Amino acid sequence: SQKIEQNSEALNIQEGKTATLTCNYTNYSPAYLQWYRQDPGRGPVFLLLIRENEKEKRKERLKVTFDTTLKQSLFHITASQPADSATYLCALEGGSGNTPLVFGKGTRLSVIA
Amino acid sequence: GAGVSQSPSNKVTEKGKDVELRCDPISGHTALYWYRQSLGQGLEFLIYFQGNSAPDKSGLPSDRFSAERTGGSVSTLTIQRTQQEDSAVYLCASSSRTRFSREQFFGPGTRLTVL
Repeated sequence: SQKIEQNSEALNIQEGKTATLTCNYTNYSPAYLQWYRQDPGRGPVFLLLIRENEKEKRKERLKVTFDTTLKQSLFHITASQPADSATYLCALEGGSGNTPLVFGKGTRLSVIA
Repeated sequence: GAGVSQSPSNKVTEKGKDVELRCDPISGHTALYWYRQSLGQGLEFLIYFQGNSAPDKSGLPSDRFSAERTGGSVSTLTIQRTQQEDSAVYLCASSSRTRFSREQFFGPGTRLTVL
């Protein structure tokens, strides 16, 4: 069956360091992979989308990589700040055009000042 | 412009009662999704509407759950004969689902508590 795993439930890092979150999937061939941020009591907010034919995408301090051979995406936050503390969700979408997103359970990131 | 809105923000009900949750998507968005999120868990897909196509109901956990989308806009999720395990945050999202824009915009959610 299809499965999405985000490497850890929680990750603590020191302010200023680079946070790296992992999303692995099995039995799936996504055409798109998205990353969302969710703060407590709120709905997820879209951050980045990467297509299956793209290796890397950047947006300000964020970087996403997508390796369809390893079936893995890495999400990096450089120069992390306490305001980056949140839960980060990866989500996969197939390429048929009418498939819903499938979300991972998320990784809770805490950036310590 | 306005984002996705959901009502009510909180709903407390007794076991066995029916509840209706409402979602107002972003104007012009053709795709609308319902998810459920239990405490500390990821998002569980429930149902997906895309334009005039038949909805994808593959995520609905039982026949007590149903949803409709009127006029391609507002959607209502109905849970009949609620059970305690239905307690969760119900999130709605909408998307334009074009080749260049596939991000989903989420509402704030409705927190349902079944006593």
